[in-house]
Amino acid sequence: DIQMTQSPSSLSASVGDRVTITCRASQSISVYLSWYQVKPGKAPKLLIYAASSLQSGVPSRFSGSGSGTDFTLTISSLQPGDFATYYCQQNYNTLLTFGQGTRLEIK
Amino acid sequence: QVELQESGPGLVKPSETLSLTCTVSGGSVSTYYWSWIRQSPGKGLEWIGYIYYSGSTNFNPSLKSRVTMSIDTSRNQFSLNLTSVTAADTAVYYCARVTYKNYFDYWGQGTLVTVSS
Repeated sequence: DIQMTQSPSSLSASVGDRVTITCRASQSISVYLSWYQVKPGKAPKLLIYAASSLQSGVPSRFSGSGSGTDFTLTISSLQPGDFATYYCQQNYNTLLTFGQGTRLEIK
Repeated sequence: QVELQESGPGLVKPSETLSLTCTVSGGSVSTYYWSWIRQSPGKGLEWIGYIYYSGSTNFNPSLKSRVTMSIDTSRNQFSLNLTSVTAADTAVYYCARVTYKNYFDYWGQGTLVTVSS
């Protein structure tokens, strides 16, 4: 299995802050990395695919970067609706795995 | 706009079979792959497996011995069966569409299944 490790596991921030979440793969996965936003009771939302491609309809304050084993998700200016849990997911091989999640809370 | 909706019992007894159905609207199950993912309380997301309209499947090895999936193109639905459940199978279960690059572009809102006697 390819293990995905996110950091931090939780994060407190304020509206307007710039936030970065990191995801590290246990082996190189090229750019086969996606990011999701998950809120309780709502359908999870795909934000980024192929490490840096913005999914249609996702605000441009979300951006992704990285390749190989190290990846980041950046939110340039936090909005109230951005407080959620974020997960990375590798799609390099057919055993699909997620990171453990980063919970983004209001400071 | 593709929408997915999970349905099924919210309570299952230990050792019994968990059965869920996902109804797809705004798109056809005869294209793409279709997947189940779960989130246990206080834990992260776990991919269970996916199915193609042809019936071909790919399952997480950790669950493979207990999982079956099926697809009904006439009803535009796909289903999950998980046998011999224990309390460890208590989770929110999501259905999702899988792109040909193996990421999930549309999800249902999830359904909580509790395993308890």
